[in-house]
Amino acid sequence: EVHLLESGGGLVQPGGSLRLSCAASGFTFNNYAMTWVRRAPGKGLEWVSSVLGSTLNTYYADSVKGRFTISRDNSKNTLYLQLNSLRGDDTAMYYCARGFPLAHFDYWGQGTLVTVSS
Amino acid sequence: QSVLTQPPSASATPGQRVTISCSGSSSNVGSNTVNWYQQLPGTAPKLLIYTNNQRPSGVPDRFSGSKSGTSASLAISGLRSEDEADYYCAAWDDSLNGAVFGGGTKLTVL
Repeated sequence: EVHLLESGGGLVQPGGSLRLSCAASGFTFNNYAMTWVRRAPGKGLEWVSSVLGSTLNTYYADSVKGRFTISRDNSKNTLYLQLNSLRGDDTAMYYCARGFPLAHFDYWGQGTLVTVSS
Repeated sequence: QSVLTQPPSASATPGQRVTISCSGSSSNVGSNTVNWYQQLPGTAPKLLIYTNNQRPSGVPDRFSGSKSGTSASLAISGLRSEDEADYYCAAWDDSLNGAVFGGGTKLTVL
């Protein structure tokens, strides 16, 4: 059974940093692209970033480009998202999802909450 | 402002059929397949329809998807109270080189 478990969220001040993790199990991790999607309070889903499984090519939404960094450790079956220069509008639930090409995300974690506030 | 346009809300009574639209452009819906996601209150999103009209295992056939040109739609027949959720369309955007979501439609079962 595919399982994705996010961690690392919390309260951080504007301008601060945070690293999110997503532990994956139940599938061959390095065979799949992985993605972060967020949902801000009162807003809809927003694609944040993706990384391919083998080539490790990365992709970012314009809203986070230059501030967030996606990475993965295939030996640990873990996906990461480094969040730097955080702003209030980064406050959201961050979900880890399997997949990326053609916006096809077939499994999702339960999410980790990031709150940016002073 | 989302790249894909959905109505913010929809409602219907149990047993009825409801349709949710998703409008895009030639760089996304017009040239790529559309997926639909369901997010029940307090839970993670779930893949509901992929590649325009395919249902993942376990999704009832009450849910169906279609696409024509730069628009897509999700239909739910035999509406049930447990279908009350937020629904999102998504597609790849060739110009943005990324995935784009609709703004979401909150479905209320009256």
